[in-house]
Amino acid sequence: DTAVSQTPKYLVTQMGNDKSIKCEQNLGHDTMYWYKQDSKKFLKIMFSYNNKELIINETVPNRFSPKSPDKAHLNLHINSLELGDSAVYFCASSPGATNEKLFFGSGTQLSVL
Amino acid sequence: GQQVMQIPQYQHVQEGEDFTTYCNSSTTLSNIQWYKQRPGGHPVFLIQLVKSGEVKKQKRLTFQFGEAKKNSSLHITATQTTDVGTYFCKGGGSQGNLIFGKGTKLSVKP
Repeated sequence: DTAVSQTPKYLVTQMGNDKSIKCEQNLGHDTMYWYKQDSKKFLKIMFSYNNKELIINETVPNRFSPKSPDKAHLNLHINSLELGDSAVYFCASSPGATNEKLFFGSGTQLSVL
Repeated sequence: GQQVMQIPQYQHVQEGEDFTTYCNSSTTLSNIQWYKQRPGGHPVFLIQLVKSGEVKKQKRLTFQFGEAKKNSSLHITATQTTDVGTYFCKGGGSQGNLIFGKGTKLSVKP
């Protein structure tokens, strides 16, 4: 069983569309994250949720809206997609919210045309 | 805000040569973590260092945490083609920190 799974693996869409990426972890962790990795491979934190509560919200356009229905799931919805949103989005989880080891999903490669 | 600088950005080595990547923080860290990301893959946790001056080894990999807890290094002895990938450090702050260094991309020529 995959510990942190995210879908879809690839997402190709037109500018202006709305899309969602789903993430689930079966590790029993309390904390989940979304990271964005651009073409230069920089990993940037976007959001962090602890027990379904938002604890970190970096400077991200409000077109990005995370939702955590329960502590095992953290989905990312993106409105009005732009060319600059093209990147690989990684979901991750950790046992707790402070300085813990991160377990990453396999990533979603988003291409906005 | 806290930043973690990582150098070099790229390193090309001949198989069998050694490799080192360095991370430096502007502030004292509570811990430092290292991750490896293979081409096309996702970051995978390698190790966490917590104590001042700590040194840990994993086979050919040696990790060090500086005495002042502001810098760290990852050294690979006698690189192999399986070592190819990008190595990231992540510094932990007193209130938790989720900022990664920009990574060092290692390529190994057989």
